[in-house]
Amino acid sequence: QVQVVQSGAEVKKPGASVKVSCKTSGYTFTGHYIHWVRQAPGQGLEWMGRINPNDGGTKNTQNFHGRVTMTSDTSSSTAYMELSNLKSDDTAVYFCAREGGSGFHFDYWGQGTLVTVSS
Amino acid sequence: EIVLTQSPGTLSLSPGERANLSCRSSQSVISSYLAWYQQKPGQAPRLLIRGAYTRAPGIPGRFSGSGSGTDFTLTIHRLEPEDFAVYYCQQFGTSPLYTFGQGTRLEIK
Repeated sequence: QVQVVQSGAEVKKPGASVKVSCKTSGYTFTGHYIHWVRQAPGQGLEWMGRINPNDGGTKNTQNFHGRVTMTSDTSSSTAYMELSNLKSDDTAVYFCAREGGSGFHFDYWGQGTLVTVSS
Repeated sequence: EIVLTQSPGTLSLSPGERANLSCRSSQSVISSYLAWYQQKPGQAPRLLIRGAYTRAPGIPGRFSGSGSGTDFTLTIHRLEPEDFAVYYCQQFGTSPLYTFGQGTRLEIK
């Protein structure tokens, strides 16, 4: 069965970087895009970007002004999202999610990784 | 940028009642590009409906999606206690590629 497991919670200082991992299993890793979505405390869902594990191609929203880097490792079926120059309003739960086979939706989600940015 | 507006913000109903949750888009959306999710506290979102109408595997038949163009609806036909949660619609567009509505909180009356 499909499983998506993310790395644990992180506490970072402003200006630092954080790298969240998303390990998948139970399907062909290169056959589905992986997306990243974040949720600030008490807020809604914000799409950040996606990676094609087949070729490493990425697309992301302009909202992060080049601070987001998404990568993948096909040998371990793991995707990564690194967010740099952290600010206090980057405090959020970060989810990775697999894009469904027919596209345009997210069918399997990781459990979420809480990133807290605090001095 | 396509903006999705969900209404109402909060819906108070009793188990056994029917819930109609609205998702209105600022531009016409291709039905294939519209999905609905359920999120409970401390959990990841769960896919309910994809392509505006198609239930995801394992989703009970009391959940149904309808609509087209700029107006879409998620209906829960007979509410069960486990259905009280926050619901989000999501669409695929251009820039950004994906957007979510702000959510509807379904609470027990």
